[in-house]
Amino acid sequence: AQTVTQSQPEMSVQEAETVTLSCTYDTSENNYYLFWYKQPPSRQMILVIRQEAYKQQNATENRFSVNFQKAAKSFSLKISDSQLGDTAMYFCAFGPNFGNEKLTFGTGTRLTIIP
Amino acid sequence: DTGVSQNPRHKITKRGQNVTFRCDPISEHNRLYWYRQTLGQGPEFLTYFQNEAQLEKSRLLSDRFSAERPKGSFSTLEIQRTEQGDSAMYLCASSLQGTDTEAFFGQGTRLTVV
Repeated sequence: AQTVTQSQPEMSVQEAETVTLSCTYDTSENNYYLFWYKQPPSRQMILVIRQEAYKQQNATENRFSVNFQKAAKSFSLKISDSQLGDTAMYFCAFGPNFGNEKLTFGTGTRLTIIP
Repeated sequence: DTGVSQNPRHKITKRGQNVTFRCDPISEHNRLYWYRQTLGQGPEFLTYFQNEAQLEKSRLLSDRFSAERPKGSFSTLEIQRTEQGDSAMYLCASSLQGTDTEAFFGQGTRLTVV
C-alpha cells in the first residue's frame, strides 16, 4: 500500500515571494504518477501539476514547479511569485500506473498568501 | 460540459436516517470515483467504477454504504442508518481510463449527521 506524508500542516508567505511545500511518499511500485492538487475554500479540487515517475525532468506549469527525487521518494512543490489566489489547501497525491486510477492523498498543507 | 456535478451540496440528516448522493461525471469519462474527506484530512478512496462495473471498494466502505452506476453514467452513493462518524465531505471524481489524463473532481456533498 502507498502512503503520502505532508509534514507542514500550515504555511504562510508574503505575496510575490516563493514558497515550497514538502511531500514524501512510500511505494514499492516502479511506474506511477505524483500530483499536487489545490483545494480553495469551498471550491472543488483542481490539479496544479503532475509528474510521471519515469521522467527524470521535473514538471513545470507557469509559476508552479516540482522537485522530484525518486530515490528519496520526495516530491516538493515550489510556487514562485505567489499570488493571493494561491491561498488554498494543497494536497500531494500518488496515483498508480497511468495515474488516473484511485489516488492516495496526503493530509494537506494550508497555504496562506499574505498581502 | 461543465465538469463533475454533485448533488446535493449540503445534507443535514438525523442519526439513523438513510441518505443518497448523486454524482454526474464528465460525459465522456468512463471511470468514476468516490472519496470521503473529513476535517483536516486528505480525501480517502471509497470505491470506483469503470463504466457500470464497480471494480474496487475500500475497507472504509462498510456494509451500510452502497454505490451504483447503473448505466455507466451518473452514480449514487447511499448511506443507510447514518452515524455521526459519517459526517464528512463526499467527493466524486471522473477520468478516462488508460489515458494520460487527470481526474476531475466535483465540489462535493457535505454531510452532517446530527
